[in-house]
Amino acid sequence: DGGITQSPKYLFRKEGQNVTLSCEQNLNHDAMYWYRQDPGQGLRLIYYSQIVNDFQKGDIAEGYSVSREKKESFPLTVTSAQKNPTAFYLCASSGGGVRGGNQPQHFGDGTRLSIL
Amino acid sequence: GQNIDQPTEMTATEGAIVQINCTYQTSGFNGLFWYQQHAGEAPTFLSYNVLDGLEEKGRFSSFLSRSKGYSYLLLKELQMKDSASYLCAVRDRGRTGGGNKLTFGTGTQLKVEL
Repeated sequence: DGGITQSPKYLFRKEGQNVTLSCEQNLNHDAMYWYRQDPGQGLRLIYYSQIVNDFQKGDIAEGYSVSREKKESFPLTVTSAQKNPTAFYLCASSGGGVRGGNQPQHFGDGTRLSIL
Repeated sequence: GQNIDQPTEMTATEGAIVQINCTYQTSGFNGLFWYQQHAGEAPTFLSYNVLDGLEEKGRFSSFLSRSKGYSYLLLKELQMKDSASYLCAVRDRGRTGGGNKLTFGTGTQLKVEL
């Protein structure tokens, strides 16, 4: 079945440590996105990529980094510069290219990151 | 930037109808999406509106008025499994990078009671 796979489901980070969250999709979507969700809040965009080898900062990119070397993969690194990383991280993808059209974003099951 | 407002919480009775409102302010409106999110799970797509009017999909309908910057999600014949957070998201044509980038509201937590 086509879909978006995020791993791991739960992740713990030590102080001063970088961690990488995986996101893989087999939907042949051009665009991919990373969001952060805090308790009782909506989704906030961290980074997005509309095509391979290109990505843009979202609203809260500080302390995060991404790469888009393959169409299927869009890993997110939470660096030690991110002082409040505890959150639920969601990866999404959408078809329709740059214009997007009426294509909805499809989400993975998320990774819950906590600080030790 | 964009501003999206939704009520924080709503409570309704099983079998009833509930309307969840969303108001938005944006410089270049290019579509509005509704998502359902159960606690601890990923959001799932419910509906999309880009033109004024009502879109119906089974028990769920969504309405849009672009001139008023207003949308609502209507849920009929409520079931216990409809207890979830409902997220309104707006796409803005004018944002750098364009494409399918969305801004989400904080969500409305709906509780369905017996």
